[in-house]
Amino acid sequence: SQQGEEDPQALSIQEGENATMNCSYKTSINNLQWYRQNSGRGLVHLILIRSNEREKHSGRLRVTLDTSKKSSSLLITASRAADTASYFCATAANSKLTFGKGITLSVRP
Amino acid sequence: DADVTQTPRNRITKTGKRIMLECSQTKGHDRMYWYRQDPGLGLRLIYYSFDVKDINKGEISDGYSVSRQAQAKFSLSLESAIPNQTALYFCATSDPRRALGETQYFGPGTRLLVL
Repeated sequence: SQQGEEDPQALSIQEGENATMNCSYKTSINNLQWYRQNSGRGLVHLILIRSNEREKHSGRLRVTLDTSKKSSSLLITASRAADTASYFCATAANSKLTFGKGITLSVRP
Repeated sequence: DADVTQTPRNRITKTGKRIMLECSQTKGHDRMYWYRQDPGLGLRLIYYSFDVKDINKGEISDGYSVSRQAQAKFSLSLESAIPNQTALYFCATSDPRRALGETQYFGPGTRLLVL
């Protein structure tokens, strides 16, 4: 069963706008990760935030984690057409990852 | 990521056939994983291995078996393929000894169609 559940399922924005994606989960975690998948290809790790961290940045990415609400958000600033992809949150516990169903992001040029 | 390779990349087979999907890695990681991806369902864990002598069932292991031939190789077998095993299969690796050790590195995937 899926641990993480992303919201929205699909997001369409204009190039240059910010994209915000949310993830909720149910049980205790060691860390939460976000991955990106271009159509039909392997997943690529974007960013990891540990359970004792609240916010993390990496380039145009900003991830937050609220363990009291069991939720995380991924913000992509100044989006580009090349950011078009599916994004997955994954919760880490017991040395395994459990993935959500993913969010499809479309960035219009 | 060329460090994790999967063969074949595409495979069409018939119901009842036994097939093997192979995964090789040059990252030197001890941990390897097999997932399947179905449209709208995300990735689900089939089997995982934390070292050559360790094999564990994941969420959806029924109908599958694995073999960890070496640190670098982890194979997934479908003993008797059925149409609902049609999916995109991914291999992944990780190394808990490194910083951000729970990050996983994925192969390019094998697209399997069972007729």
